[in-house]
Amino acid sequence: EVQLLESGGGLVQPGGSLRLSCAASGFIFRNYAMNWVRQAPGKGLEWVSVISDSGGTTYYADSVKGRFSVSRDNSKNTLYLEMNSLRAEDTALYYCAKGRISGHYGSSNIWGQGTLVTVSS
Amino acid sequence: DIVMTQSPDSLAVSLGERASINCKSNQSVLNSSNNKNYLAWYQQKPGQPPKLLIYWASTRESGVPDRFSGSGSGTDFTLTISSLQAEDVAVYHCQQYYSTPFSFGPGTEVDMK
Repeated sequence: EVQLLESGGGLVQPGGSLRLSCAASGFIFRNYAMNWVRQAPGKGLEWVSVISDSGGTTYYADSVKGRFSVSRDNSKNTLYLEMNSLRAEDTALYYCAKGRISGHYGSSNIWGQGTLVTVSS
Repeated sequence: DIVMTQSPDSLAVSLGERASINCKSNQSVLNSSNNKNYLAWYQQKPGQPPKLLIYWASTRESGVPDRFSGSGSGTDFTLTISSLQAEDVAVYHCQQYYSTPFSFGPGTEVDMK
């Protein structure tokens, strides 16, 4: 079964840091671009970042550029999101999502259940 | 950056009736080299992650009922549910993946009348 399992969320103070992980199974992880998408409580979806299948190319939303860093370990089938200088507005459920087509960016056909990040003092 | 808008914000439809949701982008998401619109639709039910319904603006994902259809090109797109079922009550999001940031629309809530 194709599955994504996020972890690492929690309560953090403003200015703090957190590292999210997304463990993938059931597909050839190294062949697919991966996305992070977040959803603030009661709000819509916000695309955060994408990383290419090899990990060599990354893109970010302006709202997180310079503070967040996406990476992957294809030997461990795991995607990461390093979040620094966290702000209250980063409070959200963070989803990892698999690109639908091997080797391409695009729509996401598999999503994890999400991990909740709360930034508050 | 490409900005996505959706209308209406919400709609209530009777069981078995048609529901239509519009999505607009402020720039074209049509790639002229392959004639594909880089536009997807997702369904999100309460407490669940989004589920891919439609990609390339009009191609149904495997397993998605054929009452869901997508249409449009360039900057204007529509998701249609031809005969609303109880299990279709959800929020529907469009997303462009033509260029980063891969922006989403604000979502449209579909409820049963």
